[in-house]
Amino acid sequence: GAVVSQHPSRVICKSGTSVKIECRSLDFQATTMFWYRQFPKKSLMLMATSNEGSKATYEQGVEKDKFLINHASLTLSTLTVTSAHPEDSSFYICSAGRDSLSSEIRFEQYFGPGTRLTVT
Amino acid sequence: GQNIDQPTEMTATEGAIVQINCTYQTSGFNGLFWYQQHAGEAPTFLSYNVLDGLEEKGRFSSFLSRSKGYSYLLLKELQMKDSASYLCAVLDSNYQLIWGAGTKLIIKP
Repeated sequence: GAVVSQHPSRVICKSGTSVKIECRSLDFQATTMFWYRQFPKKSLMLMATSNEGSKATYEQGVEKDKFLINHASLTLSTLTVTSAHPEDSSFYICSAGRDSLSSEIRFEQYFGPGTRLTVT
Repeated sequence: GQNIDQPTEMTATEGAIVQINCTYQTSGFNGLFWYQQHAGEAPTFLSYNVLDGLEEKGRFSSFLSRSKGYSYLLLKELQMKDSASYLCAVLDSNYQLIWGAGTKLIIKP
């Protein structure tokens, strides 16, 4: 399968600072990248979907100015949590998608390992 | 609205078989995925069904009935390492993944 990396894997920051999380598809070009947030014992919550070179599409309730997403190339997307607060502490997961090379599957999605953000 | 339902938690015994059900109501359907997620880790892909029927992959099998909006994940010969959350997700008409809340599977010796 394809490989998606995320950096950093863990970050602790002080309240009011900004944190940038990178998501890279290492061996394929991702037409679409997704950013998820996951609370303890909860399922994934889609925050936004981004296509290379265009603005991200945010889900309802997700603040665009707080969670800045940049998808500058087909292999890199970044999520910046601006002016972080303790309630932003969470597990952030990105995934990279592409149209499948298989005739049986139309769309493939590969997950990064996640970033644990703790805001103190 | 779009909805994915699966049980919150299930318990099974090592060596046994367990079936995790998932029902869905979505705007369009382009396939159903099952993912496994261990605590503190990202989900890993288990299976994909887009046609009705059973797909078998080793100890894991996944079944789909599109007319009933129903799928299940069958795990055989359970091992302790199978203790995890199992997420059901449907790819809708916009190729967006709609996620269930996940089923926490607890394996007892």
